[in-house]
Amino acid sequence: SAVISQKPSRDICQRGTSLTIQCQVDSQVTMMFWYRQQPGQSLTLIATANQGSEATYESGFVIDKFPISRPNLTFSTLTVSNMSPEDSSIYLCSVDSPNEQFFGPGTRLTVL
Amino acid sequence: SQQGEEDPQALSIQEGENATMNCSYKTSINNLQWYRQNSGRGLVHLILIRSNEREKHSGRLRVTLDTSKKSSSLLITASRAADTASYFCATDEGSSNTGKLIFGQGTTLQVKP
Repeated sequence: SAVISQKPSRDICQRGTSLTIQCQVDSQVTMMFWYRQQPGQSLTLIATANQGSEATYESGFVIDKFPISRPNLTFSTLTVSNMSPEDSSIYLCSVDSPNEQFFGPGTRLTVL
Repeated sequence: SQQGEEDPQALSIQEGENATMNCSYKTSINNLQWYRQNSGRGLVHLILIRSNEREKHSGRLRVTLDTSKKSSSLLITASRAADTASYFCATDEGSSNTGKLIFGQGTTLQVKP
C-alpha cells in the first residue's frame, strides 16, 4: 500500500495568482498522476508525472497552465497558474500499484 | 475524456435496503475499480475486478463485470447511513498499460437512517 499526503489541504486564492500543490508518497513510485475534480463532477486526469522526464498532459491541459515537477520518486508538485474562478476544484494526486491506485486526500482550491 | 457512464446519478434508500449502481465503459480494459468519496474528500478504494473475472465480493460489496456488454455493477447489501457517499467506477486503458484511470460520472448514494 502507499500513503499519500498533499499540501495544502485547501486554499482560497485571488484570480491571476498561482498555487503550487505538493504531493508526497511514503514509497518510491515510477508514475504519479494528477487529477482535477470540478464541483459536482467526476475526476479528470490532468497529467502523468514521470521522474526524470517531462510530464505527459491529457487533451485540454497544457504545461503553461499546469506545470508539474517530479524531482524524485516520492514527490511531485502541480502548479495552477494564472488562476481564474473556473480553476476552483479539488486536485488529487495518485500513484499506481498492481491491485489499486492510491489517492491523496486532495487539495480543495477556491479562486475568487 | 470520460469513458464511463454511471446510473443512476442519484439514489436514495432506507437503511437496511440494498443499493445497486451500474457503470458502462467504451473500450477494452484490464481491470475496473470502484471508489467511494465522502463529501468531496479523498477517494477510498473499494474493490478491483479484472477483465477475466465475472464477480467479486468484499464484505457487503458485490461487484460484477460483463466485458461483452462493457458494464459493471456495484451492489451494497444491508446499507448503512455511513454508506452515504459518491461512488465512482474507473477503468484503465486496456492494452496501453499507462496506469491512467478513466472515471465514470459517479452515483450519489443517500442512505436514510
